[in-house]
Amino acid sequence: EPEVTQTPSHQVTQMGQEVILRCVPISNHLYFYWYRQILGQKVEFLVSFYNNEISEKSEIFDDQFSVERPDGSNFTLKIRSTKLEDSAMYFCASMPEGLGYTFGSGTRLTVV
Amino acid sequence: RKEVEQDPGPFNVPEGATVAFNCTYSNSASQSFFWYRQDCRKEPKLLMSVYSSGNEDGRFTAQLNRASQYISLLIRDSKLSDSATYLCVVRRRQAGTALIFGKGTTLSVSS
Repeated sequence: EPEVTQTPSHQVTQMGQEVILRCVPISNHLYFYWYRQILGQKVEFLVSFYNNEISEKSEIFDDQFSVERPDGSNFTLKIRSTKLEDSAMYFCASMPEGLGYTFGSGTRLTVV
Repeated sequence: RKEVEQDPGPFNVPEGATVAFNCTYSNSASQSFFWYRQDCRKEPKLLMSVYSSGNEDGRFTAQLNRASQYISLLIRDSKLSDSATYLCVVRRRQAGTALIFGKGTTLSVSS
């Protein structure tokens, strides 16, 4: 069964550093997403990406965040100047037209 | 008011029990409804979509009441492997737009 692949599975970074979280969506999917889940909290939408541009973003997705699809396979989330409160599980997801999401297994980001 | 609200539980039930989870949503324009399952520190996985007519998938039955903005999930004959957090999820608009998650209801099934 096709999978959404995320790397790394766990990243530790110092406060103020930039991190890039990587995702390889399922190849024929059209919509790509980033969600985050702070420990013990709900899953929260960050951003959706369709047709090589952001189609929707939440109030969480401010100037600190950016997304890119640098080639035909990768989808990245960059977090600049990380803060302690950015520590969370970050999930990438992809979706073909009109059907359900497939989530990746997540990247656990720890900011120290 | 939270957009999607669930009783956090935990629900502790013996194997074979029937358990029901409830969820309410605040945005009456919401279009699509789902139940996801999340195991500890894992990604959410789609359990089932929820339709206005109600739908069943094996031991799982989902119901939607648009007038009351209420969604339910019934699990019959609980198994140990059903132990997980069950997430009520709403999509505001057409396919492709963001999913809004509830915080989840934790189920623990014991032998």
